[in-house]
Amino acid sequence: EVQLVESGGGLVQPGGSLRLSCAASGFTFSSFEMNWVRQAPGKGLEWVSYINSRGDTTYHADSVKGRFTISRDNAKNSLYLQVNSLRAEDTAVYYCARRIYYMDYWGQGILVTVSS
Amino acid sequence: EIVMTQSPATLSVSPGERATLSCRASQSVSSKLAWYQQKPGQAPRLLIYDASTRATGIPARFSGSGSGTEFTLTISSLQSEDFAVYSCQQYDSWPWTFGHGTKVEIK
Repeated sequence: EVQLVESGGGLVQPGGSLRLSCAASGFTFSSFEMNWVRQAPGKGLEWVSYINSRGDTTYHADSVKGRFTISRDNAKNSLYLQVNSLRAEDTAVYYCARRIYYMDYWGQGILVTVSS
Repeated sequence: EIVMTQSPATLSVSPGERATLSCRASQSVSSKLAWYQQKPGQAPRLLIYDASTRATGIPARFSGSGSGTEFTLTISSLQSEDFAVYSCQQYDSWPWTFGHGTKVEIK
């Protein structure tokens, strides 16, 4: 069974940083591209970041470019999102999701709240 | 970026009835469109990809159609478990973008 489990969220002050993690199991993690997608409270889904299976190609949404960095460790079956210089508008549930185009499996999400 | 517009925002339907949801792209996305279902407090669930292909395990009452800029998700006979928010997503060009969703509620 495919499982994606996020961790690392929480309450952080504006300007602060967090490292989100996504632990993958039930599939060959190193063969799949991965994404981070977020959802602000009461809002729609917003794609944030993409990484290819080898980890050598990444894309980020303009809204997070220069502040967020996606990475992966295939030996640990793990995906990461380093989030820096956080703003109030980054408050959201962050999901990791599998595949490059349509996203066929999603984690349960982790809440990041940016507030003083 | 491509803007995805969904209508209506809310659809009130009785169990057993048919629901038709629309998604419009600001420019052609060919057939590079997915539909997701999301229930409160849960992650999105992939229903349809490539505009009309049902994902693994998705019941046949869900169907997708369209290409270019106009897409439709049809639920042929609503079951109690189908009341949720449905979102479309284009993957024709970066950045991938989602619609704001259609909430299907019990009439």
